[in-house]
Amino acid sequence: AQKVTQAQTEISVVEKEDVTLDCVYETRDTTYYLFWYKQPPSGELVFLIRRNSFDEQNEISGRYSWNFQKSTSSFNFTITASQVVDSAVYFCALSYTGGFKTIFGAGTRLFVKA
Amino acid sequence: DTGVSQDPRHKITKRGQNVTFRCDPISEHNRLYWYRQTLGQGPEFLTYFQNEAQLEKSRLLSDRFSAERPKGSFSTLEIQRTEQGDSAMYLCASSSSRQGVWNSPLHFGNGTRLTVT
Repeated sequence: AQKVTQAQTEISVVEKEDVTLDCVYETRDTTYYLFWYKQPPSGELVFLIRRNSFDEQNEISGRYSWNFQKSTSSFNFTITASQVVDSAVYFCALSYTGGFKTIFGAGTRLFVKA
Repeated sequence: DTGVSQDPRHKITKRGQNVTFRCDPISEHNRLYWYRQTLGQGPEFLTYFQNEAQLEKSRLLSDRFSAERPKGSFSTLEIQRTEQGDSAMYLCASSSSRQGVWNSPLHFGNGTRLTVT
């Protein structure tokens, strides 16, 4: 079965703190893709990053970084020096070659206080 | 790129009524998806179209739900005999055929919030 687990329901931090959002996935496929999406209060889900199962290289984009570890089936997302505008719900997601759907985790709601 | 457009933004209906939602994907995207999102949950897949062909349907999509994409452009999602459990945000997404179907990021609309009273 394919599954994405985001164990953290809500996280609250003070501005400028670093925060890591956890994501654990399950799949039997050897070829799969992992994604992070952001859903701000306005509601529209926005794509942030994609990783394929053959590329474990970590990625940094500005204040955002992602750590993909196949050994632990994890794809964690770190925001460095958080800002109030980072407040949103963040979803980790999985797609695999066995179907057309993308499976989303339940999301982590991040509150960044000024 | 004008984004994915959904109409209406909100719909309040009485139990037992039929409702229809519309989605206009990004114009050059041939892939279109419907998802449903309830409070505190991530989006759940409902169905997938490639051009006008409906290639996958979730078991969540009961026989009261039907989706169409007649000319491979806009899509409609109809719910017949609505139930209170149908109350949710219905999201439409599209993706580009320039990348593989599994690695293309989804571009979501703002959704249609359905409330069944």
